[in-house]
Amino acid sequence: EVQLVESGGGLIQPGESLRLSCAASGFSLSYSYMNWVRQAPGKGLEWVSVIYSGGSTYYADSVKGRFTISRDNSKNTLFLQMNTLRAEDTAVYYCAREPGIGGWREYYFDYWGQGTLVTVSS
Amino acid sequence: QSALTQPASVSGSPGQSITVSCIGTSSDVGGYNYVSWYQQHAGKVPQLVIYDVTNRASGVSNRFSGSKSGNTASLTISGLQAEDEADYYCCSYTSSSLYVCGTGTKVSVL
Repeated sequence: EVQLVESGGGLIQPGESLRLSCAASGFSLSYSYMNWVRQAPGKGLEWVSVIYSGGSTYYADSVKGRFTISRDNSKNTLFLQMNTLRAEDTAVYYCAREPGIGGWREYYFDYWGQGTLVTVSS
Repeated sequence: QSALTQPASVSGSPGQSITVSCIGTSSDVGGYNYVSWYQQHAGKVPQLVIYDVTNRASGVSNRFSGSKSGNTASLTISGLQAEDEADYYCCSYTSSSLYVCGTGTKVSVL
């Protein structure tokens, strides 16, 4: 059974850093396309970042240069390193899987974690 | 990356059909058949409903259907039921190898 479990959220001050984790089970991260999607309180979904099975990464303009997506294949865990955090980064952060494997990509999210809340406030 | 445009709310009576629109550009919705729809009940995690414009996710009722015309994608719910009351979001792959999602639509069952 596919499961995604995020952790690492919390209350943090503007300008500080935080690293989120997403522990995956039931499939191998190394063969998958994995994403981070966030949702500010009372707002819509905002796509944040993707890491390809081959390791390429892409970011939304709103976080480019501040956030870094990565994974540890040995721990089957996805990460999001968030630096220079701003109040507008306050959101629930979800990790979400695309169902494609290896060179075959599917452009949607079939499994989502339960989310972890990041609050940026002084 | 401007969010895709969705109506803030759509409502209908039980048994009726409703349609939620998702307006993008030729760089996203219009350029690819990679539009997906997600249902999010209050306080819950988003769940996949439709992928690749028209395909229903596993376990999703056939009352849900998707379509696209030009830069506008649509989600139709027929035979509206109380359990369909939720927020719905569209997302599309883009020409920049990114994703963009919609502003979200609150579906209410009267």
